[in-house]
Amino acid sequence: GENVEQHPSTLSVQEGDSAVIKCTYSDSASNYFPWYKQELGKRPQLIIDIRSNVGEKKDQRIAVTLNKTAKHFSLHITETQPEDSAVYFCAAKTGGTSYGKLTFGQGTILTVHP
Amino acid sequence: SAVISQKPSRDICQRGTSLTIQCQVDSQVTMMFWYRQQPGQSLTLIATANQGSEATYESGFVIDKFPISRPNLTFSTLTVSNMSPEDSSIYLCSVETSGGGYTFGSGTRLTVV
Repeated sequence: GENVEQHPSTLSVQEGDSAVIKCTYSDSASNYFPWYKQELGKRPQLIIDIRSNVGEKKDQRIAVTLNKTAKHFSLHITETQPEDSAVYFCAAKTGGTSYGKLTFGQGTILTVHP
Repeated sequence: SAVISQKPSRDICQRGTSLTIQCQVDSQVTMMFWYRQQPGQSLTLIATANQGSEATYESGFVIDKFPISRPNLTFSTLTVSNMSPEDSSIYLCSVETSGGGYTFGSGTRLTVV
């Protein structure tokens, strides 16, 4: 089955700096890669996603890049703010089945210091 | 996108008892997914529920422990049976939205004592 590895497990940055979180996946048939932000005690919220036919996607301060050949994708947050502090999860949707299921990475605790 | 109502939001249960968690979606969906999130951990898929057929369980999860019902296209339940402290987790349901993404219920925080 699919295996998603996420690094780093914790990331501490100063407000205004950039943050990068990286994920690798094992199943070359995976075709959808979302990123979720989970604040303490709340449900995961989708912040950005990318499909396998696209190399990069940007939404304001957030961007995701995908390298299908290397089977890795990354989340980039620019101009970080304290409210960006949360746990971030990457995921991969397994292809090759009639429905998709998500396999999640281990999560990254992002702390943005004012 | 779809909106999911999940309940209860939290519960404290005695070991050996069972708890049923409900998820109601505001639109019809083919598949509903049930996840477990242990304290400080990532999300692990328990099973996928399709209306009209038995749920498909992931490795390490069995129907006797986590029976699932899916009576129609907007509703599903997950039961955590014969609970032990190791079952203390957050349980979340999820559906695929019309845009192709996945949205989650608000979660059920279960504590087994």
